[in-house]
This record gives sequence, C-alpha cells and structure tokens, in this order.
Amino acid sequence: EDQVTQSPEALRLQEGESSSLNCSYTVSGLRGLFWYRQDPGKGPEFLFTLYSAGEEKEKERLKATLTKKESFLHITAPKPEDSATYLCAVYGSSNTGKLIFGQGTTLQVKP
Amino acid sequence: DADVTQTPRNRITKTGKRIMLECSQTKGHDRMYWYRQDPGLGLRLIYYSFDVKDINKGEISDGYSVSRQAQAKFSLSLESAIPNQTALYFCATSDSTGGKPQHFGDGTRLSIL
Repeated sequence: EDQVTQSPEALRLQEGESSSLNCSYTVSGLRGLFWYRQDPGKGPEFLFTLYSAGEEKEKERLKATLTKKESFLHITAPKPEDSATYLCAVYGSSNTGKLIFGQGTTLQVKP
Repeated sequence: DADVTQTPRNRITKTGKRIMLECSQTKGHDRMYWYRQDPGLGLRLIYYSFDVKDINKGEISDGYSVSRQAQAKFSLSLESAIPNQTALYFCATSDSTGGKPQHFGDGTRLSIL
C-alpha cells in the first residue's frame, strides 16, 4: 500500500535558523512527488514537483530534494512569513491519478 | 480571480439538512477532486472525476454524492448532514497528463450542529 510519512509533526525555528523537513514514502512506481504549503484557513498551494531520484528544485529560501525513499524540504535562513504547514504527496502508477498525502509538518518561525 | 473557486466559504447548518458545496475552475483541467481535511487526519479523498462522464469514489465517500455538471463545475452534496461531517472541504483540479500537481481552492468550512 502506498504511504507517505512526514517528520517532524511540528518545528519551531528562530528567524535565520536553517533546517529540513522530511517526507518518507513507499509507492509503486513513483510518477511524481509534490510539496505544498498551506496557510491557516487556506487551500494547499503548490510548491514543487520532483520526478526522479537526484532531482532538486529551488524557490527563494526553499529547496526540495528527492531520493528513492524520501524527500527533503530544506529551508535556508527562514523568515516569519515562511510559517505554515508543509504537505508532501506522492502519485504512483497504481493510484490511478490520486495523490497520497502525508500529515504535514507545521513550521513556526519566530522573529 | 482565483483559478479554483469554492462556494460558500463558510456554512453552518443543522443535522439532517441537505447541503451542496460548489466548485468551479478556470484552469481548463479535466480532472477534479473533493477532499475533506480534519485536524490530525490530513487530507482525505471523497470523490474524484476524470471527465464529465467519469466519477469515482474515494476513500471516504459514504454520506456524500457528487455531480459533474460541466468540465468546469463539480459539486459535492451531503444528503442528510450529520455532525461528524463538520470539516474543511477542498476542491482541486489537475491536468489529465499523469504526474501533474493538483491545484486547490480555498476551501469551505462546514459546521453541522
């Protein structure tokens, strides 16, 4: 069964303190791994798609990487506006177009 | 204007009432989805549709029904609402090409008393 586990559940950082969020996955035939950002009361906002091990994507202070078993979302010198819940999801060949989501990591960045 | 629009944004109603949540999109995507989100349970798929004539149950479809009125419109109904259907509901769309991300609306916060 396809599965996604995110850790930690919650993370508190000081402004400027870099860290990483983890997304471990088990999927038959990975066809895409997705990172989303969700602010309270809003819908998930798409950040990145990764398709194969070794691939990396960057956007401002965020960098996503992918291996055959996990993905990391690295946050460099975070700012308070980076505070949000970050969701990871996978799309596998056996899921017929459905995404499998992790529970998310809630990030709080204090000034 | 948002690409994926959900109405209403908030709704409070009573047990036993029929409720319809609506979703419309301007992205031109064929695929549309309904999710609910509960604290500690994450996003769970209720129904999904790959085109107007193709509708499928997700992992938690009991108590819900859907209608795909057009490529751009996908509605979710609760025929007889119950309190444990209180949740945040999201509509999403995606391109029909495999491996593409889903794009979400801003959700409907539904409270059933």
